[in-house]
Amino acid sequence: DGGITQSPKYLFRKEGQNVTLSCEQNLNHDAMYWYRQDPGQGLRLIYYSQIVNDFQKGDIAEGYSVSREKKESFPLTVTSAQKNPTAFYLCASSIYASDYGYTFGSGTRLTVV
Amino acid sequence: GENVEQHPSTLSVQEGDSAVIKCTYSDSASNYFPWYKQELGKGPQLIIDIRSNVGEKKDQRIAVTLNKTAKHFSLHITETQPEDSAVYFCAVSQFYFGTGTSLTVIP
Repeated sequence: DGGITQSPKYLFRKEGQNVTLSCEQNLNHDAMYWYRQDPGQGLRLIYYSQIVNDFQKGDIAEGYSVSREKKESFPLTVTSAQKNPTAFYLCASSIYASDYGYTFGSGTRLTVV
Repeated sequence: GENVEQHPSTLSVQEGDSAVIKCTYSDSASNYFPWYKQELGKGPQLIIDIRSNVGEKKDQRIAVTLNKTAKHFSLHITETQPEDSAVYFCAVSQFYFGTGTSLTVIP
């Protein structure tokens, strides 16, 4: 079955550490996205990528980095510069980058300990 | 960027009643308006979407209406069932999401 897979489901990070969240899709979608979800704030866009080797900052990119070396993969690194990283992170993909609905992964819950 | 407001933030209805969630947006050039349903601990799932060249779209018990002049669109769920209980998000032009509506359907 085609879909989008995020791993791990739960992740614990010590302060000062970088951590990488995995996102893989087998839908042959061109565009991929990372969102952060906090209670009462909806979903906020961190980064998105329309094609391989290209990505754009979203509204809250500070303290995060991404890469898009393969069409299927769009990993997100939460760096030590992110001041409040505890959140639910959602990866999504869409067939094209403009005005098409998303397929979301099941999310990664990151907790700083 | 786009400013999306969603109301209400919580909604409780009796099973069988209708539920309506409304979103407003700021950019009159926006053309795409999807709705997502998120169950606890899961990622959101696209349930219906509408483009600016139509005013209404229906899929079984759910429908979306769009008023481009007033810059608002609404999700309508009829004959609600307990399995409709979830958080619903509107979005505008793919990138921008509302803050969500927690719908509870009381059996």
